[in-house]
Order: sequence, then structure tokens, then C-alpha cells
Amino acid sequence: RKEVEQDPGPFNVPEGATVAFNCTYSNSASQSFFWYRQDCRKEPKLLMSVYSSGNEDGRFTAQLNRASQYISLLIRDSKLSDSATYLCVVAKGQNFVFGPGTRLSVLP
Amino acid sequence: GAGVSQSPSNKVTEKGKDVELRCDPISGHTALYWYRQRLGQGLEFLIYFQGNSAPDKSGLPSDRFSAERTGESVSTLTIQRTQQEDSAVYLCASSLAAENQPQHFGDGTRLSIL
Repeated sequence: RKEVEQDPGPFNVPEGATVAFNCTYSNSASQSFFWYRQDCRKEPKLLMSVYSSGNEDGRFTAQLNRASQYISLLIRDSKLSDSATYLCVVAKGQNFVFGPGTRLSVLP
Repeated sequence: GAGVSQSPSNKVTEKGKDVELRCDPISGHTALYWYRQRLGQGLEFLIYFQGNSAPDKSGLPSDRFSAERTGESVSTLTIQRTQQEDSAVYLCASSLAAENQPQHFGDGTRLSIL
């Protein structure tokens, strides 16, 4: 089993749709969690950290379930500019593991 | 700028040549990471530095790959006797050493081996 697994995608959704991405991780000792986005032929950029209590940043909501070793990202009212690959990242100390990513295409 | 800086942005070289890639981390970031990303693939971890030491070299694919870091700042990734399969984007990231700190990436070096 891979350390971090994500929905394979791609997700093709119309503008304005709500879309959710799922991520599971195998190391129960993992301590910190992040979502990154990566545009085509660009570097990954931090989207948001994920906290146990869940957190929201505008249209983006991240949830963490430690018991189930599961992380989610919800995007509401999706925009064309949200089209990218979304990477789930799980870390313990300085050991970061990046998921394979889920590609999102928001269509006009 | 205040971000992670990598150079060169692009490098095209002939098979068998050596290449050196450079990374300048964000000032004050003691942790530094190198990744490789082949076209259409995910990130492949290569090596991690904490200060000038490399506690985790497990991702280096072969002995043709080496990296060093000096002054807790600049790092260089060297690939000797390049092969066509080395063609990829090489990404550098840095972070504060404290717990729960995310990584911040440079723009990467796009390496093409002819």
C-alpha cells in the first residue's frame, strides 16, 4: 500500500460546481498535513495546512480524520482558475510524503 | 526575492556530461529538499538536508547523483555522466525546521538530456 493515496481523477466539473478530493495515508504517526496545488509545468504551491479541527479558507475547506487516516479538500463555487493538480501531503517531522495528485479541470 | 531560487531554469546537455543544479533556499530555512518530477508524474523525493547534513539520502537514484549544502544556505545537486532517463524537472524546497511547517518550492530546473 502506498503511503499516501488520492482519488486518481481527473475530475471534470462545470464552473460553480462543488468538488471534493479524498486522500488516505498509511502512517498513523503522521503529524502534519497539507494540500498543495500544482499548475501544469509549474512548481507545487501551498494551498492550505490541514488541522484536526478542520479549517476553511474562502471557498476551500480541509478536513482531517486521524482515526480513519483520511484528509479531504472541498472546493465550493469552482472557478476556471481552480484547474490544477491537487497534491495531498503528509509529514512526520521533516519527512514529507507527497501523494500522486488529483487533476481538476473546471469547464466553462 | 524572498522565495526559493533555483538555477539554471533550463539546462540542455548531451548524454554523458555532468550537470550541477543550484538551490538558494528562503533565508532562515534550515531544512532543504530536492525532488525530481518526470513529465506527467508525481514528485520523487531525492534528498533532504537539515542544516549542512543530509540525514536522509534514501531517494538518490544512483551513485551518479550527489548533493551538498554549505553555510546552511545554498545547495547543489550534481548528476554525473547524465543519462536520458535523468531528463526531468528538479525541484528544490525549503522549510523552517520546526514542526508542522510546510515546504516552499522554487520554480525548478528543467533538465533535458539529448
